[in-house]
Amino acid sequence: TQLLEQSPQFLSIQEGENLTVYCNSSSVFSSLQWYRQEPGEGPVLLVTVVTGGEVKKLKRLTFQFGDARKDSSLHITAAQPGDTGLYLCAPQGGGSEKLVFGKGTKLTVNP
Amino acid sequence: GAVVSQHPSRVICKSGTSVKIECRSLDFQATTMFWYRQFPKQSLMLMATSNEGSKATYEQGVEKDKFLINHASLTLSTLTVTSAHPEDSSFYICSATRDRQARYTFGSGTRLTVV
Repeated sequence: TQLLEQSPQFLSIQEGENLTVYCNSSSVFSSLQWYRQEPGEGPVLLVTVVTGGEVKKLKRLTFQFGDARKDSSLHITAAQPGDTGLYLCAPQGGGSEKLVFGKGTKLTVNP
Repeated sequence: GAVVSQHPSRVICKSGTSVKIECRSLDFQATTMFWYRQFPKQSLMLMATSNEGSKATYEQGVEKDKFLINHASLTLSTLTVTSAHPEDSSFYICSATRDRQARYTFGSGTRLTVV
């Protein structure tokens, strides 16, 4: 059973600040996805990282997959209130197509 | 493309009754659909995986007789919460994949309140 940890669990910051959230595991993954979920909605895919050490950018969001493919991070530059939401990581691997989420990071960006 | 419709978006039912939630893939054939539940301020918890034409695979701790899943076609899966109780009140979300390429599309969820 893989142990998946996301940190921090809650994060409240002011508009314009930078932040990083983490997704860590003891298992090796073939790929990992990051999602954002807003209240009352389903999660929306932000990015899929596949290669160890890979870095992907999506406007002010930077995603990194660890060299050993056991961990990932999401860095947001100059956060805006519109970034508020629940950020979820979901690794894939082991031949299973199940999508199991971490506990998530609840981000609040205050104006 | 890749739209998943979930219905209803909100439902209130009386304790002891059953509620059916539908999940439809509108523009693709979903080889597999997943059902999640989410409590306030928590993450999504996978309940079961359903493949068209076969029995659903339930996660440990999920009562299959209480949460009935039917995947009758490649575009429709249903979740029926039987004999609902207030503790079943939650946000239920479905997801669908196609072609086993790790592309998951989520429905917009169903807020179930049991009174």
